[in-house]
Amino acid sequence: AQTVTQSQPEMSVQEAETVTLSCTYDTSESDYYLFWYKQPPSRQMILVIRQEAYKQQNATENRFSVNFQKAAKSFSLKISDSQLGDAAMYFCAYRGGTYKYIFGTGTRLKVLA
Amino acid sequence: DAGVIQSPRHEVTEMGQEVTLRCKPISGHNSLFWYRQTMMRGLELLIYFNNNVPIDDSGMPEDRFSAKMPNASFSTLKIQPSEPRDSAVYFCASRPSGAKNIQYFGAGTRLSVL
Repeated sequence: AQTVTQSQPEMSVQEAETVTLSCTYDTSESDYYLFWYKQPPSRQMILVIRQEAYKQQNATENRFSVNFQKAAKSFSLKISDSQLGDAAMYFCAYRGGTYKYIFGTGTRLKVLA
Repeated sequence: DAGVIQSPRHEVTEMGQEVTLRCKPISGHNSLFWYRQTMMRGLELLIYFNNNVPIDDSGMPEDRFSAKMPNASFSTLKIQPSEPRDSAVYFCASRPSGAKNIQYFGAGTRLSVL
């Protein structure tokens, strides 16, 4: 069975600095997708970025980028130039050959002014 | 597009009462998911519909939980009778056909069972 692990329950970053959130996963599938979702206090789950496993190039969305290491089964999220609005819970998620998403337990990001 | 719409936003009820949560998926999306989020267990998939048909309900905790999707624009999750351990945030998500990798979430319903 697939698993997703986020080992950092909480992280802090100074405004304008860079922070990296960690995620590892376990799977025997070769074709899959990985996602980072943001959940602010409003509770809305917002897709931040996604990565297809067959693509070697790391996905980037403005200040958000990933470091996808397929062999190591690692999928970290880097947030550059952190802003106060980035404060939220961040969830790593995996989707393989079925419709099911497997979510990690989340990392709470605090942004310090 | 209004996104996935869930109602109510908050629900407080007493143990033993029936609770009905509602979801309107994004128009044109043919897959719908119900999730439950708790501190202890994180986000759990409860049930998955495709073209209004329940495909996988293995995540439904017990017979007290039931879900329906009478048409492409509406789904309900019902708990009868409710128990304090059902207190959680319940999310609905929908996904368009052909784009198998993107789910769009509603804002969730926070349920408190006293």
